[in-house]
Amino acid sequence: QLQLQESGAGLVKPSETLSLTCTVSGASISGSTYYWGWLRQPPGKGLEWIGSIFYSGSTYYNPSLKSRVTISVDTSKNQFSLKLSSVTAADTAVYYCARGSGWYREWGQGALVTVSS
Amino acid sequence: EIVLTQSPGTLSLSPGERATLSCRASQSVSNNYLAWYQQKPGQAPRLLIYGASSRATGIPDRFSGSGSGTDFTLTISRLEPEDFAVYYCQQYGSSPFTFGPGTKVDIK
Repeated sequence: QLQLQESGAGLVKPSETLSLTCTVSGASISGSTYYWGWLRQPPGKGLEWIGSIFYSGSTYYNPSLKSRVTISVDTSKNQFSLKLSSVTAADTAVYYCARGSGWYREWGQGALVTVSS
Repeated sequence: EIVLTQSPGTLSLSPGERATLSCRASQSVSNNYLAWYQQKPGQAPRLLIYGASSRATGIPDRFSGSGSGTDFTLTISRLEPEDFAVYYCQQYGSSPFTFGPGTKVDIK
């Protein structure tokens, strides 16, 4: 059974870089035909797609965040990661990792990241 | 970017009733690549429907999706107590993938 688990700092200072890692178990990232994605949800608000990566390293990002986002993959650790630079309070959200190439069936439990000094 | 609008914002119904949720896109969704999710407080979204009308694995048949182009509908034929939640539509036909603002189905 596929499981995804987000990990990383829960509190980030304004202007710094948010970093999260998603550890995948129950399936191999490199053996998958799916993309692996990051999405977020500000408290009490709706969902936003951040971007996705294929095991080969091919990525595509939401243009609204593209200048600040980097998604990378480490197949040796069966993990993929998110970095979001120059964060502000508007980046406070629950961040989810998920598997899918458009629609997302498997999700992590989510990680709350608060941007505050 | 395709903007999705969901209506109504809140739907107040009783268990056993039929729920009809609407999702309208600002332009045609390519290949009807439209998904529906259910989300309960403190939980990740749960995929219900993809490709506008295909039920995801393990989803009860009281959930059905329909529509094409710019107009899509999620129908819950008979509400069970566990169905009271927020429902989101999402298009993945063109990048960036986008979500609607959600419809909350609450108990009347």
